[in-house]
Amino acid sequence: AQSVTQLDSQVPVFEEAPVELRCNYSSSVSVYLFWYVQYPNQGLQLLLKYLSGSTLVESINGFEAEFNKSQTSFHLRKPSVHISDTAEYFCAVRPHNAGNMLTFGGGTRLMVKP
Amino acid sequence: KAGVTQTPRYLIKTRGQQVTLSCSPISGHRSVSWYQQTPGQGLQFLFEYFSETQRNKGNFPGRFSGRQFSNSRSEMNVSTLELGDSALYLCASSFGQGRLHSGANVLTFGAGSRLTVL
Repeated sequence: AQSVTQLDSQVPVFEEAPVELRCNYSSSVSVYLFWYVQYPNQGLQLLLKYLSGSTLVESINGFEAEFNKSQTSFHLRKPSVHISDTAEYFCAVRPHNAGNMLTFGGGTRLMVKP
Repeated sequence: KAGVTQTPRYLIKTRGQQVTLSCSPISGHRSVSWYQQTPGQGLQFLFEYFSETQRNKGNFPGRFSGRQFSNSRSEMNVSTLELGDSALYLCASSFGQGRLHSGANVLTFGAGSRLTVL
């Protein structure tokens, strides 16, 4: 079985400041890793994913995440946040051979203040 | 192309009733998964369908069921509703179920159906 822990339930930050949202996971098998974002009253949008290869993955809107196998972490970072980044962020894992059964963390609410 | 479409977006039911939610996947996608999102339990996997067959099932009681049609559209049903069934039900689709070498099998989520049980 897999488990995902997002260490911070809420992260307040001022606009243009850097931010890191932490994600640790536990799994006995190899997994794919994902970050999804959820805006109010909407579904989940894929932000970025780690499938294989380079451990640093980037999104088109400035977010990046680094897969650290030894620490079983997949932290999400952005060097300068905007008000529009205010949302809930979910880290998720999926075993390589388990269909589409994602295990999600509890979510981190990012609150960007002007 | 159109995304994952879920209907209805909002609905209110009373305890003991049943509800059916519908999901139309992205054109060409054959795998449909369902998730329940609640403030207390977070996001939990319900079940997954591929080629009209249930491939995986989460840890939910038998009151929760689903099916997939030949056109890949899916429905989920909850019978004998309880207050705790109030949640956002999310549907997601992907091309297939296999390994994610190219990203083609990464899930795309719909906007969800928000169920309130009174």
